[in-house]
Amino acid sequence: EVQLVQSGAEVKKPGESLRISCKDSGNTFTSYWISWVRQMPGKGLEWVGRIDPSDSYTNYSPSFNGHVTISVDTSMSTAYLQWSSLKASDTAIYYCARHDGFHSTGYYLGEAGYFGLWGRGTRVTVSS
Amino acid sequence: QSALTQPASVSGSVGQSITISCTGTSNDVGAYNYVSWYQQYPGQAPKVIIFDVSNRPSGVSSRFSGSKSGNTASLIISGLQAEDEADYYCSSYANSANVFGSGTRVTVL
Repeated sequence: EVQLVQSGAEVKKPGESLRISCKDSGNTFTSYWISWVRQMPGKGLEWVGRIDPSDSYTNYSPSFNGHVTISVDTSMSTAYLQWSSLKASDTAIYYCARHDGFHSTGYYLGEAGYFGLWGRGTRVTVSS
Repeated sequence: QSALTQPASVSGSVGQSITISCTGTSNDVGAYNYVSWYQQYPGQAPKVIIFDVSNRPSGVSSRFSGSKSGNTASLIISGLQAEDEADYYCSSYANSANVFGSGTRVTVL
């Protein structure tokens, strides 16, 4: 069974840097877009951004653009979400999710596809 | 890109049917048939229950169904069961972005 395996919980101080990871346990990593989703304590889901692992093309939500960076290492079948300077407001659970879905004619929907496979989430706590 | 609008809470008795609305704009929900719905239990990751407006993944109960009219999508849960008590989120493709709804807490009375 293919899984998205996320890195463990992190506790950081404001201003520190951080990179969390999401590893695809299967062998189709470059075939599917990956998104990152934030869930702040007691709040709803927010889309952070997405990446096409085949060429590292990225899109970001305007709310997160410039504050986070999404990247991949195809040799490790792993996607990353990183911050260069954390804020207390970054405290949240971060999920990675794979874009699934095919058009009726058979082609992959790419970034338009639904979030069919989710990681279990990485809890990030930023506190002084 | 603003969040899609969902009612904060919906409740119903066991066996009843409930509907959760998801209102967007002509740039997201109204523009594409790529609306999906997710169920989330406390402490767990979300799980897709409806994709492409009205399709159910394998293994998801037929009590869940979806539809769309204009800029508003809907999730219908028929024959409400105790295990349906959870948070529900819609999501839509919006060209350069994906967007989630504000979330709805379903309570089974």
